[in-house]
Amino acid sequence: ETGVTQTPRHLVMGMTNKKSLKCEQHLGHNAMYWYKQSAKKPLELMFVYNFKEQTENNSVPSRFSPECPNSSHLFLHLHTLQPEDSALYLCASSQERLNTEAFFGQGTRLTVV
Amino acid sequence: ELKVEQNPLFLSMQEGKNYTIYCNYSTTSDRLYWYRQDPGKSLESLFVLLSNGAVKQEGRLMASLDTKARLSTLHITAAVHDLSATYFCAVDPYSGAGSYQLTFGKGTKLSVIP
Repeated sequence: ETGVTQTPRHLVMGMTNKKSLKCEQHLGHNAMYWYKQSAKKPLELMFVYNFKEQTENNSVPSRFSPECPNSSHLFLHLHTLQPEDSALYLCASSQERLNTEAFFGQGTRLTVV
Repeated sequence: ELKVEQNPLFLSMQEGKNYTIYCNYSTTSDRLYWYRQDPGKSLESLFVLLSNGAVKQEGRLMASLDTKARLSTLHITAAVHDLSATYFCAVDPYSGAGSYQLTFGKGTKLSVIP
């Protein structure tokens, strides 16, 4: 248990569905991240929020829409996904570069059918 | 664009043996992280290396950083089965304040066999 909780752990959705992934951290961190882990690619950073403000969007398609209502919660809203979006989506949090590491949640295994 | 290369990508080693995993990166950075991931699980932080020459040890694992060579190593001593996992290095290319963003290597899948 790292203090970063993701729900759901598994999700199967059709290409026309809309769903949301949730991440919550209880560590008092002020930066939160979404990463995508595919079978054949390195972990890819998708979004970064620092003090609730989005600071990075690494060319992620608009069918992925993040939301950070406060520094403890992060969402990833999904709509009209493609099968190639099937992956493990990991949330992480950290203090703002105080020489500490990021803590990762357990991930949501997403399958798009 | 920062590139992080790990090798080997797959490693099968016998219990009791020693081995080293290498992590090369393509741009200047003095922040490198090692993570472990067990199947179906999240990433667990192993080491945080923040300066040239940094060396950290935990149990049978030792990590080092050479920022001039842009190289980090993860050395395994007298491997045991419990070390079987995928090991990732990650590099933070930014200096100064602000949230940090990691670029990960592809991971090294380690299998320790009796």
